[in-house]
Amino acid sequence: EAGVVQSPRYKIIEKKQPVAFWCNPISGHNTLYWYLQNLGQGPELLIRYENEEAVDDSQLPKDRFSAERLKGVDSTLKIQPAELGDSAVYLCASSYTGADTEAFFGQGTRLTVV
Amino acid sequence: DAKTTQPNSMESNEEEPVHLPCNHSTISGTDYIHWYRQLPSQGPEYVIHGLTSNVNNRMASLAIAEDRKSSTLILHRATLRDAAVYYCILRGGGTSYGKLTFGQGTILTVHP
Repeated sequence: EAGVVQSPRYKIIEKKQPVAFWCNPISGHNTLYWYLQNLGQGPELLIRYENEEAVDDSQLPKDRFSAERLKGVDSTLKIQPAELGDSAVYLCASSYTGADTEAFFGQGTRLTVV
Repeated sequence: DAKTTQPNSMESNEEEPVHLPCNHSTISGTDYIHWYRQLPSQGPEYVIHGLTSNVNNRMASLAIAEDRKSSTLILHRATLRDAAVYYCILRGGGTSYGKLTFGQGTILTVHP
């Protein structure tokens, strides 16, 4: 089992450019999370999916951020246009549905906006 | 969301036990207590979780107070590889079913 796979690991873009992150969760996991983590802070939830449905996207800045999880498997998080303040690590995690399950995290994508 | 309170940092010596406390006075009956840790430059990793009874696994033990308003993660013999940020999280329950909300965590420093 490869675990949660994220790509790319690192991305440097100029402000106002678009960027996309990809996540492949563990096979069979219904729940998928996207988090943003700033340096020295805990991860902050952006969006949570149950299968293909976004059940919690209240923290997603919808004016510039979008996400999709087609067929309830892979997911893509997009930022358009990127701002300097978007520089952070973007983490993807997956789990089976329920509170009595463990979540598995990917290595994250470190985004630098210049 | 029910919140947790942890010390900002703790220190330990190698091969000594470490007790990491967490307060969660507003926990609901359906909330599970989860612990994750994050090593430098890595994503968080699961450590342990429980509901009411104490739990043990190969990584750690989780001691849960009888009223469930606090818990303690126990590392029986700390190693340098245990230096990380440890997060205590309530995963529940109700309208937040399955939600995993991180706080600031406790930075654990292990001295050789």
